[in-house]
Amino acid sequence: QSVVTQPPSASGTPGQRVTISCSGSSSNIGSKSVHWYQQFPGKAPKLLIYRNNQRPSGVPDRFSGSKSGTSASLAISGLRSEDEGDYYCAVWDDSLRSWLFGGGTKLTVL
Amino acid sequence: EVQLLESGGGLVQPGGSLRLSCTVSGFTFSNYAMSWVRQAPGKGLQWVSAISYDGSRTYYADSVKGRFTISRDDSDNTLYLQMNSLKVEDTALYYCARRNGDDGFDYWGQGTLVSVSS
Repeated sequence: QSVVTQPPSASGTPGQRVTISCSGSSSNIGSKSVHWYQQFPGKAPKLLIYRNNQRPSGVPDRFSGSKSGTSASLAISGLRSEDEGDYYCAVWDDSLRSWLFGGGTKLTVL
Repeated sequence: EVQLLESGGGLVQPGGSLRLSCTVSGFTFSNYAMSWVRQAPGKGLQWVSAISYDGSRTYYADSVKGRFTISRDDSDNTLYLQMNSLKVEDTALYYCARRNGDDGFDYWGQGTLVSVSS
């Protein structure tokens, strides 16, 4: 069981806005930057959002991140079929001296 | 172009050892901290170990502490993971990843598969 918690699944129809939550504690999300990764089957993870709300070059502005207290969120607007995949949050934990990944959220585009 | 290429995976019996390598190119290896992250079949990502840019600090997940050792050879642009006393639950695809300061793991390799089975 991950110390950082994500919903196992999320879904939406094309064009909709979907949010994925990531819940932690004061020793991780509450005090450190949260990063988000996108992964498709058989592929390596790809950095989607870094430092809570920054997009690497090439990532569409349909993807956005936010953080408040000990929780963070990934929002995907204008949902597309190619967004279907797995999404993970990640954060450093100062108490554990470890990187923590959320359990991952499988996004389905209906 | 930044590239990370893992190698060294394979099939090993429980209690056995393997050494994974991650050879990088396209950036100054000695400037970056690196990590190993694994993914068991059908499961999520699990961070395994990290090493600072200069090799002076290493970190391990509790599940591998005392069994795995991370190291780096900047002259060879290579990251290593020595895995001893392997368990069935260590079976996974092992990725190496570059950490870009506070900007997360910005580049990943394609992974090398480790299977632990009798």
